Amino acid sequence: DAGVTQSPTHLIKTRGQHVTLRCSPISGHKSVSWYQQVLGQGPQFIFQYYEKEERGRGNFPDRFSARQFPNYSSELNVNALLLGDSALYLCASSRPGHPPYEQYFGPGTRLTVT
Amino acid sequence: KQEVTQIPAALSVPEGENLVLNCSFTDSAIYNLQWFRQDPGKGLTSLLLIQSSQREQTSGRLNASLDKSSGRSTLYIAASQPGDSATYLCAGVNTNAGKSTFGDGTTLTVKP
Repeated sequence: DAGVTQSPTHLIKTRGQHVTLRCSPISGHKSVSWYQQVLGQGPQFIFQYYEKEERGRGNFPDRFSARQFPNYSSELNVNALLLGDSALYLCASSRPGHPPYEQYFGPGTRLTVT
Repeated sequence: KQEVTQIPAALSVPEGENLVLNCSFTDSAIYNLQWFRQDPGKGLTSLLLIQSSQREQTSGRLNASLDKSSGRSTLYIAASQPGDSATYLCAGVNTNAGKSTFGDGTTLTVKP
């Protein structure tokens, strides 16, 4: 069974541009969460989507948005990129309502903003 | 608001040593505690998950414990090997399973 997949692997953008990152969860997982990991720090929670609805949002500006599609895949969008948005973006899938609520992470998308 | 702290930030040991990594959290209402390994530039690999009703989990040379009352978890690595060199992260998972709060990790170097 395939794990969580993310695309693209790497991305280089210029300040002010827009970026879209994609995530496909493990088959049967209906929840997708997004995290930002800046170098030297632990991942920070950005969003959770479950059954196509936003169920949680971290302390990130409105430039960050996301959505979940009927097949439970998800996109993370970031507008007006800043240098500080350079990070590893991680996607995790899980099955709410099914203990032990383990989260499975994808390999991440490395975003560099120049 | 859940806060997770990991001590030490970095650790260097000779091969063969047993070691303990520490994780503390402020909100005892977590549902479970998950330990991850991260190699440089890579994603997260789940090592062990301890549910709130459990006190420890073991996998091979790894043993993780959880004490919710004191807000602490430890990851014990026996007979360390150079291949264990990586950053180890702990995360408290809340009840809706979609949000984990991470520590900043402990970077482990095992010298041959």
